[in-house]
Amino acid sequence: GENVEQHPSTLSVQEGDSAVIKCTYSDSASNYFPWYKQELGKRPQLIIDIRSNVGEKKDQRIAVTLNKTAKHFSLHITETQPEDSAVYFCAASRGYSSASKIIFGSGTRLSIRP
Amino acid sequence: GAVVSQHPSWVICKSGTSVKIECRSLDFQATTMFWYRQFPKQSLMLMATSNEGSKATYEQGVEKDKFLINHASLTLSTLTVTSAHPEDSSFYICSARVSWASGRADTDTQYFGPGTRLTVL
Repeated sequence: GENVEQHPSTLSVQEGDSAVIKCTYSDSASNYFPWYKQELGKRPQLIIDIRSNVGEKKDQRIAVTLNKTAKHFSLHITETQPEDSAVYFCAASRGYSSASKIIFGSGTRLSIRP
Repeated sequence: GAVVSQHPSWVICKSGTSVKIECRSLDFQATTMFWYRQFPKQSLMLMATSNEGSKATYEQGVEKDKFLINHASLTLSTLTVTSAHPEDSSFYICSARVSWASGRADTDTQYFGPGTRLTVL
């Protein structure tokens, strides 16, 4: 079945430095890749997403890259701030098809050191 | 964006009782809703896909007679945990996908509810 692998499981970076989280997916029909941020005890919040027709998307300090050939996609957070501390989940979906369930990665716990 | 609510936010029940959790899309219509459970420090595990007006599609290993799903309208899906036991204690989160008919650009996006923490004694 579909699978999304995410690395690393935990990540600690100095405030102001960059953080990178990497994911791979198994379903070659996946065409929609959202990233969610979840703070303790709260709902996942969509922070950025990318579709398979583009290779990169940026929104202020957050960027996502996609390599369809290798089935890799990554989240980049620059100039990290304490409020970036949370668990981040990558996900993959077939998007517009009827089988559009989202498969989540295992999550990365990001800690920003002051 | 779009708003999804869940009720109750937390519930404590005795073993053997049934618990119903509601998921509502407040400002959009959702043909499809999804139910997840999340154990502490773990990822979201999809339990089932709820389709308005039809039977839910359950993921492998999820007992459909144990977790009853009803999606009677375009804004409401319910999950009933029947004969709950302590091992069913978890954080249950729903999400809703914007309906195609809405004409919105975010029909791929799943918006999550705030979750329901179920504790079975």
